[in-house]
Amino acid sequence: KQEVTQIPAALSVPEGENLVLNCSFTDSAIYNLQWFRQDPGKGLTSLLLIQSSQREQTSGRLNASLDKSSGRSTLYIAASQPGDSATYLCAVLGTDSWGKLQFGAGTQVVVTP
Amino acid sequence: KAGVTQTPRYLIKTRGQQVTLSCSPISGHRSVSWYQQTPGQGLQFLFEYFSETQRNKGNFPGRFSGRQFSNSRSEMNVSTLELGDSALYLCASSLVRGASTDTQYFGPGTRLTVL
Repeated sequence: KQEVTQIPAALSVPEGENLVLNCSFTDSAIYNLQWFRQDPGKGLTSLLLIQSSQREQTSGRLNASLDKSSGRSTLYIAASQPGDSATYLCAVLGTDSWGKLQFGAGTQVVVTP
Repeated sequence: KAGVTQTPRYLIKTRGQQVTLSCSPISGHRSVSWYQQTPGQGLQFLFEYFSETQRNKGNFPGRFSGRQFSNSRSEMNVSTLELGDSALYLCASSLVRGASTDTQYFGPGTRLTVL
């Protein structure tokens, strides 16, 4: 059974610092891993998708890495801004779970001005 | 291209009632998945529909059901509501299914409160 863990559960940094968010999963039989952002009471916004054959993906200030063999992914956000304050969730799509994303509990990020 | 839309955005019901939530996927997407999000359990998978057929189901009681129409729009129904059904219900659609490029796009959710 796939289990997804995100550490830390909460993080507070001053504006301008780099953010490092961690995600681990127990079963390496995955199609891909997605990182999402969720603002309070809102839906999920897809940030990055890393295919199982890829090692990293980049979009603007965001960079995500994937080490499938060790079951780990890291999301880096460079030069954080107060607008980056949100909950960040990682989710894996298993090869035996049609349409089912398995989510971590999320990391709540606060960027202080 | 319009995103995933969900209606209604907010609902208040009482215990024992039933409720129907609607989801319109991104144009061209044929896979629709439903999730329940609560503070205690996080995001949990309810079910997935593809080509009008339920292809996968999570560990929820039979009170939770759904369907998909020929235009890929989907509805989920919860009968005999319980207080514990209060949650944010999220719908997601994807173009490609069961592939490494399978990206799920989420709607804004329906906030259900059961009194």
